[in-house]
Amino acid sequence: GQQVMQIPQYQHVQEGEDFTTYCNSSTTLSNIQWYKQRPGGHPVFLIQLVKSGEVKKQKRLTFQFGEAKKNSSLHITATQTTDVGTYFCAGQDGNNRKLIWGLGTSLAVNP
Amino acid sequence: NAGVTQTPKFQVLKTGQSMTLQCAQDMNHEYMSWYRQDPGMGLRLIHYSVGAGITDQGEVPNGYNVSRSTTEDFPLRLLSAAPSQTSVYFCASSYSWDLDNEQFFGPGTRLTVL
Repeated sequence: GQQVMQIPQYQHVQEGEDFTTYCNSSTTLSNIQWYKQRPGGHPVFLIQLVKSGEVKKQKRLTFQFGEAKKNSSLHITATQTTDVGTYFCAGQDGNNRKLIWGLGTSLAVNP
Repeated sequence: NAGVTQTPKFQVLKTGQSMTLQCAQDMNHEYMSWYRQDPGMGLRLIHYSVGAGITDQGEVPNGYNVSRSTTEDFPLRLLSAAPSQTSVYFCASSYSWDLDNEQFFGPGTRLTVL
């Protein structure tokens, strides 16, 4: 069935190191959204990518959407303790318009 | 705007009890949904609604009922709680049923079924 694989499941970094999480879909996506969930909190929308090959930046966060619209990545430069949380991608299936969620990548940052 | 609100924040039930989780949004959003979140399982869609009077099942609907009598409210009913329904429940809404826009999540209800 439709799925979005997200890797890694967990990542533990030292403060100041970079971090990347990847999402790969089995089907072509019409768009992909990224969310952040702090420990004990709820998912909060970060960004949406729509165009093939699109790259967007938010301060230290860089989001990419693959040329085939089947994969995406979130890269954080020089992590800070405030980046701690779980990052989810959610892709909208190009055929049935349903939102397919990745299982998330949990990021821990050592100060 | 309050955004998406959920009550209660925490709930403990005994097996077989029933309860309703409340969800409301004040953004005039068309689309509302319920997710459950379990460790290692991500967010799983329980039920959703594309407008008042219209609901449909998600990927894990068994044991849950919903209704949408108004645009604002989307309650989730557990008819006979089971320990397998211990989870964190999130309500979410978005402007359009088309889902090509931001999902706004409520703060969640942490449910334990004994």
